[in-house]
Amino acid sequence: EPEVTQTPSHQVTQMGQEVILRCVPISNHLYFYWYRQILGQKVEFLVSFYNNEISEKSEIFDDQFSVERPDGSNFTLKIRSTKLEDSAMYFCASSEWATSNQPQHFGDGTRLSIL
Amino acid sequence: DQQVKQNSPSLSVQEGRISILNCDYTNSMFDYFLWYKKYPAEGPTFLISISSIKDKNEDGRFTVFLNKSAKHLSLHIVPSQPGDSAVYFCAAHPGPYSGGGADGLTFGKGTHLIIQP
Repeated sequence: EPEVTQTPSHQVTQMGQEVILRCVPISNHLYFYWYRQILGQKVEFLVSFYNNEISEKSEIFDDQFSVERPDGSNFTLKIRSTKLEDSAMYFCASSEWATSNQPQHFGDGTRLSIL
Repeated sequence: DQQVKQNSPSLSVQEGRISILNCDYTNSMFDYFLWYKKYPAEGPTFLISISSIKDKNEDGRFTVFLNKSAKHLSLHIVPSQPGDSAVYFCAAHPGPYSGGGADGLTFGKGTHLIIQP
């Protein structure tokens, strides 16, 4: 069964550094998403991406964050000037169409630890 | 701001019995509801979904019920098996008519289901 893959599984970064989290969505999916889950808290939506541009974003997704589809397969989340509170699990997801009746399928996440 | 609430942090059920997981929501714009299962160190795995035009959807051992007037949905697992032990998340989406074409999902905090032998 096709799946969303994320790399790396664990990323440790010094505060203030930039980090790039990578995702390969399911190949025939058109919508891509990033979520995060801070330890002990809910999974929170960050951003959705369609047709090479941001479709929706939450208030969490400020100027520190950016997303990109640099080629036909990868979907990346860049976090600039990382802060301690950016430590979380970051999940990538994709769906075939906009989720009005299509489920989003998630990768196994990247655990980001900011020191 | 808890638009999706799962009020039971954990639930323990004997193997072979029915597991019932509950979820309440407050946002009337939610139109599509999903249940995900999550094991430690893995991402959420899609289980089953329901659109607001239905009140029940069944897939094998899993059935989701939606009571739109009460803004309540539940997931029934019968019979429960040891492999069902996981955290279950309820999630909701506003659907196409609210303009939320690619809106993210709003998740509950999850219920940790423990199936006892």
